[in-house]
Amino acid sequence: RKEVEQDPGPFNVPEGATVAFNCTYSNSASQSFFWYRQDCRKEPKLLMSVYSSGNEDGRFTAQLNRASQYISLLIRDSKLSDSATYLCVVPLYYNNDMRFGAGTRLTVKP
Amino acid sequence: SQTIHQWPATLVQPVGSPLSLECTVEGTSNPNLYWYRQAAGRGLQLLFYSVGIGQISSEVPQNLSASRPQDRQFILSSKKLLLSDSGFYLCAWSPGWGSNTGELFFGEGSRLTVL
Repeated sequence: RKEVEQDPGPFNVPEGATVAFNCTYSNSASQSFFWYRQDCRKEPKLLMSVYSSGNEDGRFTAQLNRASQYISLLIRDSKLSDSATYLCVVPLYYNNDMRFGAGTRLTVKP
Repeated sequence: SQTIHQWPATLVQPVGSPLSLECTVEGTSNPNLYWYRQAAGRGLQLLFYSVGIGQISSEVPQNLSASRPQDRQFILSSKKLLLSDSGFYLCAWSPGWGSNTGELFFGEGSRLTVL
């Protein structure tokens, strides 16, 4: 299994739709997990952190399943501005060695 | 507040030429520092990370090297660029041991085109 693996995408959804991305990881010792958002030709920026079973922030919900070693990101009521690439990030050793998934491209259409 | 500066933002270099990308962090001490590369349409590949001055961990054997001459300065270099070195290079920092939430803070990136 790759260190961090994401849904390949791309996801094309209409405004208002609910969309979910999954990410699997190989290091069972990882304690914290992150979703980053990257707009085209820009640097990634932190969207959400997940330290326990899950985290919710407005329309965004991140969930963690340690037994199956995956995290998910759910976006409700999609907006055009949600169009971006979403990167799953998992530290290999403590928080010093951060590994990124290849990213999932989301396009929200009118 | 902490800031990270990375330069140059864009550069076009011929094959075989040297490279130097510089990154500095302000407003924090003893950060963890990282160099990532993102090829077109691809994910971020960790190239180097550093937990302290002179301490560099290399993840991918290639013609690139990194140095950390000062606590908040991280430099990516190459003696001879290859076509495959083209990409978007991102410097990032995170808080060091004891205060590390795991969040990475990225510079604005350096877009390198090797011709």
